Amino acid sequence: EPEVTQTPSHQVTQMGQEVILRCVPISNHLYFYWYRQILGQKVEFLVSFYNNEISEKSEIFDDQFSVERPDGSNFTLKIRSTKLEDSAMYFCASRGRIPLNQPQHFGDGTRLSIL
Amino acid sequence: AQTVTQSQPEMSVQEAETVTLSCTYDTSESDYYLFWYKQPPSRQMILVIRQEAYKQQNATENRFSVNFQKAAKSFSLKISDSQLGDAAMYFCAYRSRGYGGATNKLIFGTGTLLAVQP
Repeated sequence: EPEVTQTPSHQVTQMGQEVILRCVPISNHLYFYWYRQILGQKVEFLVSFYNNEISEKSEIFDDQFSVERPDGSNFTLKIRSTKLEDSAMYFCASRGRIPLNQPQHFGDGTRLSIL
Repeated sequence: AQTVTQSQPEMSVQEAETVTLSCTYDTSESDYYLFWYKQPPSRQMILVIRQEAYKQQNATENRFSVNFQKAAKSFSLKISDSQLGDAAMYFCAYRSRGYGGATNKLIFGTGTLLAVQP
């Protein structure tokens, strides 16, 4: 069964550095998402992406965050200047368009640790 | 705005027994989807079961079933014949139905940590 893949599985970065998290969604999917889960807390929506543009973003997704689909297969999340509070598990998800009741398929996540 | 509430932070069940995890939600929409996701210690997010709000029949997937009460806005998960591998965090999630290009994010509850005792 096709799956969403995320790299790296664990990223350690110094505060203030830029970080790029990578995702390869399922190939025929059209909707892409990033979620974040701070340790011990619930999963929170960051951003959704469709037709090469952001369709919705949360309050968390401020100017330090950006997403890109550079080559038609990868879907990346960039954090420009990381803060300690960015430490979390980041999940990528994708979904097909039809049928509408399709669930989102999640990757295994990238654990981001900011030092 | 929609919200999802899971009032049981932790639950415990004996192996082979049945356990029910609670979830309530708030929405003004009439058509939507509800999901249960499982997150084992490895922290993957695995879909367990889904329910479409317009369907009256409760969804079932092997040992997993839901009790969907639309009027009460309740969506509980029943796990029958619990196994050690069922131990995980379980998240209830809501999604608007959406039309056309609507991307419709998932809104998660805070989760219930299920322990399975041998």
